[in-house]
Amino acid sequence: AQSVTQPDIHITVSEGASLELRCNYSYGATPYLFWYVQSPGQGLQLLLKYFSGDTLVQGIKGFEAEFKRSQSSFNLRKPSVHWSDAAEYFCAVGRGQGGYNKLIFGAGTRLAVHP
Amino acid sequence: DSGVTQTPKHLITATGQRVTLRCSPRSGDLSVYWYQQSLDQGLQFLIQYYNGEERAKGNILERFSAQQFPDLHSELNLSSLELGDSALYFCASSVATPGPSGNTIYFGEGSWLTVV
Repeated sequence: AQSVTQPDIHITVSEGASLELRCNYSYGATPYLFWYVQSPGQGLQLLLKYFSGDTLVQGIKGFEAEFKRSQSSFNLRKPSVHWSDAAEYFCAVGRGQGGYNKLIFGAGTRLAVHP
Repeated sequence: DSGVTQTPKHLITATGQRVTLRCSPRSGDLSVYWYQQSLDQGLQFLIQYYNGEERAKGNILERFSAQQFPDLHSELNLSSLELGDSALYFCASSVATPGPSGNTIYFGEGSWLTVV
């Protein structure tokens, strides 16, 4: 069955510290992989996506993620966290036939940032 | 701003009532998706429409229905509402082409539904 696991429900880091959010997936084929962020009271914003090629992808707001096929992982990283990064982060997988796709989301990781 | 517009942003209604949530996809996107986000279920895919036709169904209750109109906007109808239907309902859209572009889904800001 297709699934996404985000092992950490809550993470707290200090401002300026590095961040890594974990994501593991189970999927029949090589999926497309996504990270979304949801700020309090806001919608889901696409941070970055992986389709093929270079396994390290860059996104918006200074985030990057690395696809590791052998580990079925797509962890999100940021070298220095800002207070405005406090939000909930969702990893998602899916691969459809163009416009016919549905994403499978993880349960999310809530990030708190201490000043 | 993703370009996906949802109305209303907030809605409070009583049990047993019916509501309609509206969504305008990004310009040019033929596919529209509806997701439900609740505390206990997380983000759940409800249904997808492509150019007016239903394409995929997820965990959508029989009391819920959706449609996509010729101008590509979509409506999600929720009827006989129960307390447990209180959630954030997202609409999303994507282009209808194979490959990465067609698989990149953009979400609106959601419609908060509270059933009392």
